[in-house]
Amino acid sequence: GIQVEQSPPDLILQEGANSTLRCNFSDSVNNLQWFHQNPWGQLINLFYIPSGTKQNGRLSATTVATERYSLLYISSSQTTDSGVYFCAVERVDSWGKLQFGAGTQVVVTP
Amino acid sequence: SQTIHQWPATLVQPVGSPLSLECTVEGTSNPNLYWYRQAAGRGLQLLFYSVGIGQISSEVPQNLSASRPQDRQFILSSKKLLLSDSGFYLCAMGRVAYEQYFGPGTRLTVT
Repeated sequence: GIQVEQSPPDLILQEGANSTLRCNFSDSVNNLQWFHQNPWGQLINLFYIPSGTKQNGRLSATTVATERYSLLYISSSQTTDSGVYFCAVERVDSWGKLQFGAGTQVVVTP
Repeated sequence: SQTIHQWPATLVQPVGSPLSLECTVEGTSNPNLYWYRQAAGRGLQLLFYSVGIGQISSEVPQNLSASRPQDRQFILSSKKLLLSDSGFYLCAMGRVAYEQYFGPGTRLTVT
């Protein structure tokens, strides 16, 4: 199956700092999504981004499909950004099944 | 808009007891439906997926089964729970090459 690697596994930030999370994947994909898992476990959709760049407020993401990686940028971090960030990919011809990375645990301190 | 409901939200069950978790979706027709499990820690693992009524594919051999009796209803079941079935169960809906959405999840503890 497709391999999805996220880095770093853990990240501690001071409020106001910027950060970059990375997702590498091992095969061609139909779909790549970034999620934020809140303390209650809900997976919040951040970006659907199989290629290109998107921005939503303080968050932005870039996927370079030809080089098989995606980056999630958090700018001016806030304590509410804390949680686990997941990258998930849908391999071509896989009926929409998502393969998740192990996640990046982000803690933003006041 | 698309909405996913899951119940119950939390469940504590003894080893050997049966299980039934329900997922229903609104705002779409004929979606692909998925069951994922998140064990202690982080990783999410796909358990089952369905592309239509009565069509179920299993991703990993296990103590669980799934059914799709209606277009927008997906059920996860077990005849006899094991301790290792504890975890956070998430239902999702989507289509091939489209954004996938997740329900609020059911937290299952097997004692």
